[in-house]
Amino acid sequence: EAQVTQNPRYLITVTGKKLTVTCSQNMNHEYMSWYRQDPGLGLRQIYYSMNVEVTDKGDVPEGYKVSRKEKRNFPLILESPSPNQTSLYFCASSFRPRDPQHFGDGTRLSIL
Amino acid sequence: QKEVEQNSGPLSVPEGAIASLNCTYSDRGSQSFFWYRQYSGKSPELIMFIYSNGDKEDGRFTAQLNKASQYVSLLIRDSQPSDSATYLCAVSNYGQNFVFGPGTRLSVLP
Repeated sequence: EAQVTQNPRYLITVTGKKLTVTCSQNMNHEYMSWYRQDPGLGLRQIYYSMNVEVTDKGDVPEGYKVSRKEKRNFPLILESPSPNQTSLYFCASSFRPRDPQHFGDGTRLSIL
Repeated sequence: QKEVEQNSGPLSVPEGAIASLNCTYSDRGSQSFFWYRQYSGKSPELIMFIYSNGDKEDGRFTAQLNKASQYVSLLIRDSQPSDSATYLCAVSNYGQNFVFGPGTRLSVLP
């Protein structure tokens, strides 16, 4: 089954404790993205990747890092999480930027 | 800053009516246009995409694009209570990032 898999689905943690949210897709997609979704603000792109070792900032990259060492994986790293990063996070992928994106089920992060 | 705007709603329509959702965008370089449906707490799911000016129909859904006016719309015919959700408009400029609108909440009343 074609899918985008995110882990964990839920996480409660504390300020400053490094965390990684994993994202993996099995569709051989080149384009992958991370979004955060906050009430009233919609989905905002954090980082995107056009291919292996090619990443770029989206609209809200501050406080986040990503890497793309393999085509299928695109982890989101919060080196020193803060409460304002409490949000619902989605990973998505597609063959090309112009194509419809497939979304993972989301990760709800709470930073205390 | 590229922007995509939508009325936040809620837009309420009676069952069986046509729901009309609208979206405007600021980046004239936008090339791809998408409508996603999102139920509360769930991930967005693709409803329609359109690349060229004009109308594109798929079942009860019709997407309309007017690049000159920087306007894209989604019509839902014969609206059902199961269509009640938030509808997200998204645009993409080839090779660059995706931008989503804030979404319009649709409520279809039985």
